[in-house]
Amino acid sequence: GAVVSQHPSRVICKSGTSVKIECRSLDFQATTMFWYRQFPKQSLMLMATSNEGSKATYEQGVEKDKFLINHASLTLSTLTVTSAHPEDSSFYICSARAVGLGSADTEAFFGQGTRLTVV
Amino acid sequence: LAKTTQPISMDSYEGQEVNITCSHNNIATNDYITWYQQFPSQGPRFIIQGYKTKVTNEVASLFIPADRKSSTLSLPRVSLSDTAVYYCLVPPTWGATNKLIFGTGTLLAVQP
Repeated sequence: GAVVSQHPSRVICKSGTSVKIECRSLDFQATTMFWYRQFPKQSLMLMATSNEGSKATYEQGVEKDKFLINHASLTLSTLTVTSAHPEDSSFYICSARAVGLGSADTEAFFGQGTRLTVV
Repeated sequence: LAKTTQPISMDSYEGQEVNITCSHNNIATNDYITWYQQFPSQGPRFIIQGYKTKVTNEVASLFIPADRKSSTLSLPRVSLSDTAVYYCLVPPTWGATNKLIFGTGTLLAVQP
């Protein structure tokens, strides 16, 4: 299947600093990417939908000024956690819908995830 | 979006067949049913997708009754490495911008 590469896999940062997470679709073009956050023993929570060349759409309760999303090309979306605090520590996962590649055009491919720890 | 309901957890032993059922009462006519597997600290991995009756691949089988209001993921002869969370999703079938919303998932614990 299609591959979504997410980098870094884990990062530790100091409180108040910013962290950027990259998500790349390696062998297909992803006009739309999704960003999720997952806390321990919980399900994935959708944070925002990232569309190439336009502003991201954030879910209710997600601060757009804190979680900056950029989708500058058809193969790259980035999530920047600004002024990170310990409560932002979580597992962040990106996903891309591969329209036209899946058996029913509905298959989504996920990155490996990024473990963010803010100290 | 079709809401899905599945058991929070299940226990099994190595070598057994495991069946995880998911309810999706308000599934739309064009919706497909997709199952993902997630190991700790990894992104979800696609397992299988189906529309009706039965679908089988090298990993699992998916059984979907005629009314499509539920589906059952069948894992044959599970091993310890099948311990994971399994998510049942019914994503919209058109438009890449439609959201993929995860439910609680089923934590499958396989014991020796």
